[in-house]
Amino acid sequence: DQQVKQNSPSLSVQEGRISILNCDYTNSMFDYFLWYKKYPAEGPTFLISISSIKDKNEDGRFTVFLNKSAKHLSLHIVPSQPGDSAVYFCAARELGAGSYQLTFGKGTKLSVIP
Amino acid sequence: DAGVIQSPRHEVTEMGQEVTLRCKPISGHDYLFWYRQTMMRGLELLIYFNNNVPIDDSGMPEDRFSAKMPNASFSTLKIQPSEPRDSAVYFCASSLVGDRTDTQYFGPGTRLTVL
Repeated sequence: DQQVKQNSPSLSVQEGRISILNCDYTNSMFDYFLWYKKYPAEGPTFLISISSIKDKNEDGRFTVFLNKSAKHLSLHIVPSQPGDSAVYFCAARELGAGSYQLTFGKGTKLSVIP
Repeated sequence: DAGVIQSPRHEVTEMGQEVTLRCKPISGHDYLFWYRQTMMRGLELLIYFNNNVPIDDSGMPEDRFSAKMPNASFSTLKIQPSEPRDSAVYFCASSLVGDRTDTQYFGPGTRLTVL
C-alpha cells in the first residue's frame, strides 16, 4: 500500500506559467515532507522541504504548501522554465523513534514547453 | 565535496551471477541509504545504516540481497544470485543528522541489467 501518492505521472506546462505538482499521503505520523528533483541519468536532488508545523515554505520560484487535514501537499513553480523539466518526487518522513528514512512517491514528470 | 560516489554506473550481467554495487558517502555523513528504483514500484528503501551499523533492512527483498558498511566511507550492496527481476537503478544516499534539513544526498545510481 503506497503511503505517498503522486497521482499524475506527467504534466506539461508552458514556459512562464505556473506548474503545480500534487502529492497525497496516508500516514498521519508523517510530519516532515520533501520534494526532490531528478534529471535523467542522475540521482534525485533535494529541492525544498516543509515541516508539519507550517503550511507554506517558499524558496525563490518554488513554494510548497501543506494541508494536514487533507493529507495533501503541493509544489508550485512560478514561473516555470525549460530547465525545470525533470521528474519530481514527493517524500515524507516519520519523525521520532530515531527514524530518518524517507518514503517516496512514484514521481511526476514535468515538461516545460518553451 | 565530490558528493556521493557510486560504482559501477552501469552493470550488465547474466542471471545467476553475483553482482556487487559500491558506494562512497559524503565525508562526515553518518547515515547511508540504499534504494532501488523501478517503473512499477518507484523508489524503494532497501536498507539504511547509522554510523556503519544496519538499522533497518526490512526493505531488502530477499536473502539474495545483502549490504555491508565496513567503514564510514564505503558500503556495498550484493546480489547473489542475480535474477532478471533485479534489473533496476540502485541509488545510494547519505545524510548528516542535524544538517539544516536532514536531507539525503543521492549518488548518480547504478543501472543494473540482469539478462
